[in-house]
Amino acid sequence: GQQLNQSPQSMFIQEGEDVSMNCTSSSIFNTWLWYKQEPGEGPVLLIALYKAGELTSNGRLTAQFGITRKDSFLNISASIPSDVGIYFCAGPLSNSGGYQKVTFGTGTKLQVIP
Amino acid sequence: EAGVAQSPRYKIIEKRQSVAFWCNPISGHATLYWYQQILGQGPKLLIQFQNNGVVDDSQLPKDRFSAERLKGVDSTLKIQPAKLEDSAVYLCASSLVGLAGERRDFGPGTRLLVL
Repeated sequence: GQQLNQSPQSMFIQEGEDVSMNCTSSSIFNTWLWYKQEPGEGPVLLIALYKAGELTSNGRLTAQFGITRKDSFLNISASIPSDVGIYFCAGPLSNSGGYQKVTFGTGTKLQVIP
Repeated sequence: EAGVAQSPRYKIIEKRQSVAFWCNPISGHATLYWYQQILGQGPKLLIQFQNNGVVDDSQLPKDRFSAERLKGVDSTLKIQPAKLEDSAVYLCASSLVGLAGERRDFGPGTRLLVL
């Protein structure tokens, strides 16, 4: 089935450092979504991207919709301990009913060292 | 605004037993999703309801999993009989109308361990 591959798989960084992660697909997407999942909780939507080349920010987070429409990038500036969690990219695929099923990536686990 | 509620939060059962999970979505959300998240992986959609109708259950193992959403509000997901590989977090989510780019609100999940 469709796979969204994320890299890196995990990362340890020092508090205050910037973070970059990406997501690639073999298919073209019209929408890219970035979620964060903290331990013991469900994923929470961080940023949604709707147009190739779009750059969108949410506080210290910035995400970009790749111009090939097969990739997306998430950057976190000046990381803090509460940024710890797993970051998932997600994108929609049409299902047989005409509704769009969102497929999640493999995740990037972020650890921040105070 | 109250979030998506799920119960129980944790469940431990032996293989071949049955188990049921309950979800109460955000009020007014027409679309309800059940996801399975195995440790170290992203959530995988099991079933998607639009009101009380199923719009996608292509990845639901129908020989053992079943789900219903009576009256288009609450939903239950059942596994009967459970297998070891069913150990996972079962996440319920809801959204207003079901568009792909729409915000999905997730519940905290039910952690299932099958021994």
